[in-house]
Amino acid sequence: GENVEQHPSTLSVQEGDSAVIKCTYSDSASNYFPWYKQELGKGPQLIIDIRSNVGEKKDQRIAVTLNKTAKHFSLHITETQPEDSAVYFCAASGRGSYIPTFGRGTSLIVHP
Amino acid sequence: GAVVSQHPSWVICKSGTSVKIECRSLDFQATTMFWYRQFPKQSLMLMATSNEGSKATYEQGVEKDKFLINHASLTLSTLTVTSAHPEDSSFYICSARDGGPAEAFFGQGTRLTVV
Repeated sequence: GENVEQHPSTLSVQEGDSAVIKCTYSDSASNYFPWYKQELGKGPQLIIDIRSNVGEKKDQRIAVTLNKTAKHFSLHITETQPEDSAVYFCAASGRGSYIPTFGRGTSLIVHP
Repeated sequence: GAVVSQHPSWVICKSGTSVKIECRSLDFQATTMFWYRQFPKQSLMLMATSNEGSKATYEQGVEKDKFLINHASLTLSTLTVTSAHPEDSSFYICSARDGGPAEAFFGQGTRLTVV
C-alpha cells in the first residue's frame, strides 16, 4: 500500500518568512495530492491540491510542487501570518486506491 | 468547496451508553464517506469506508460491532459508538467524496468524551 512520509513534524517561523513542508510517497500509481490545514479542535480543511499531470500549482500565498520522478511534493507558504499557525497534513491517493493516505502532520507556528 | 456537516461537535456520555454521530454532505451527493479517529497530536486514523447502500469496510483492528456505520442515503452517514468506554474518548472526523475527482471534504469533527 501507499506510504506517505512528512517532514518536519514541527516548523517555527517568524511572521513574514516562508515555510516549506515536504512529503514523499511510495506508490507510483498515486496521482492526486491534497494538502489540508487543521486548526485546533476542527476538522481538516482542503487548502490546495495537485494532480500528477501538473508540476506546480499556486493559489495566492500558497503553492504546491510535485516531482513525480522522485515521488515527492511540497507545500510552500510565503509571507506567513499568525493565522497560518495550524497543523498541515499532506495526503496521496490515486488509481491504486482512492482512499487517501495521510502524512503524520506538521505543526506550523508563526510567531508575530 | 463542498460542505460536509458533522453533528454534534462535542458530546459527553456515560460509560456503557451509545452515541450517534451524523455526517451530512450539504451540497453534493456523497457516494463514499470515510470515518476517522484522531488522537491528540497525531494523524488521522482511518476507521472505515462506507459506500451508499452497502456495508461499510472496516480497517484492520477496528471493531465493527462497536463502531456501527450506516450510509443509508447519498447525503447522510452515521457512526454509532456502542457501549462506549473511556478509552473510546477521541476526536472523530468524517469526510465525503462525490465519486468524481478525488477530492474529499471533511466535517468539523466530534469530540467524544466518555466518563
